[in-house]
Amino acid sequence: DAGVIQSPRHEVTEMGQEVTLRCKPISGHNSLFWYRQTMMRGLELLIYFNNNVPIDDSGMPEDRFSAKMPNASFSTLKIQPSEPRDSAVYFCASSLGGNRGPGANVLTFGAGSRLTVL
Amino acid sequence: ILNVEQSPQSLHVQEGDSTNFTCSFPSSNFYALHWYRWETAKSPEALFVMTLNGDEKKKGRISATLNTKEGYSYLYIKGSQPEDSATYLCAFTTNAGKSTFGDGTTLTVKP
Repeated sequence: DAGVIQSPRHEVTEMGQEVTLRCKPISGHNSLFWYRQTMMRGLELLIYFNNNVPIDDSGMPEDRFSAKMPNASFSTLKIQPSEPRDSAVYFCASSLGGNRGPGANVLTFGAGSRLTVL
Repeated sequence: ILNVEQSPQSLHVQEGDSTNFTCSFPSSNFYALHWYRWETAKSPEALFVMTLNGDEKKKGRISATLNTKEGYSYLYIKGSQPEDSATYLCAFTTNAGKSTFGDGTTLTVKP
C-alpha cells in the first residue's frame, strides 16, 4: 500500500479563495482524521470519520471549514473563503478503527498539505 | 477540553547521553496512550501503544512506561544518537479511536 496520500503537497492562495485538500486513506482503514498543525496550537484534530460518517467535528474552527467523505477511499477538507490565519500544515491520517483494540487506533499519517493564504 | 501535556518542550543533549521526557494525561476513562516519533519534513510515525498500568514497551534504545493511575507516561532514550533527533508526541486515545496529541518534546542530539 502506498500509505495515506494527500494532495496538494503545497498550496499558495489569496485570501477569499476556496481551498480544497484531498486525502486517500489506506485501503481497509475504517477511520479517517483531519488534523491541523500550527506553531501556536500543535497538532489539533479538526474532524474524524468512522465508516465514512462524520463522528466528531467539534474541532472545525468555523463554518468556513467543511469536510466530506463520499466513500471509503476519499475525503476532502474545504475552506471557503480562506483567510491568512488558515495558513498551516493539514494532515490526514487513517486507522483500522472499529472495536479491534488500541492497536487498531494507531494513526498512519499522510505527508501533509502545506497551505499558505496571502 | 482534554489536556495532554508534554515536558520539556525541547531538549538538547550530547551524543551518548541518556534522556527522558514526560507525557501527562487525564487518569479517568483511560483507554490507550500512543507515542509517535516525528522527524523534520516527515510525518509522525507510531512508536508504542500503551494500554495497561505498569506497561513497559521497548524498541531498541527507546523505551516507555505507563502509569494510568496518576496519569503519566515516560519515554526514555538510552545512549542518544543524532538520528534520534525528532519531536516525540504522545496521544491520549479513546476507545472510539479519537487521539488528542500533546505539543511534543523536540529532541536535538549533538554529535
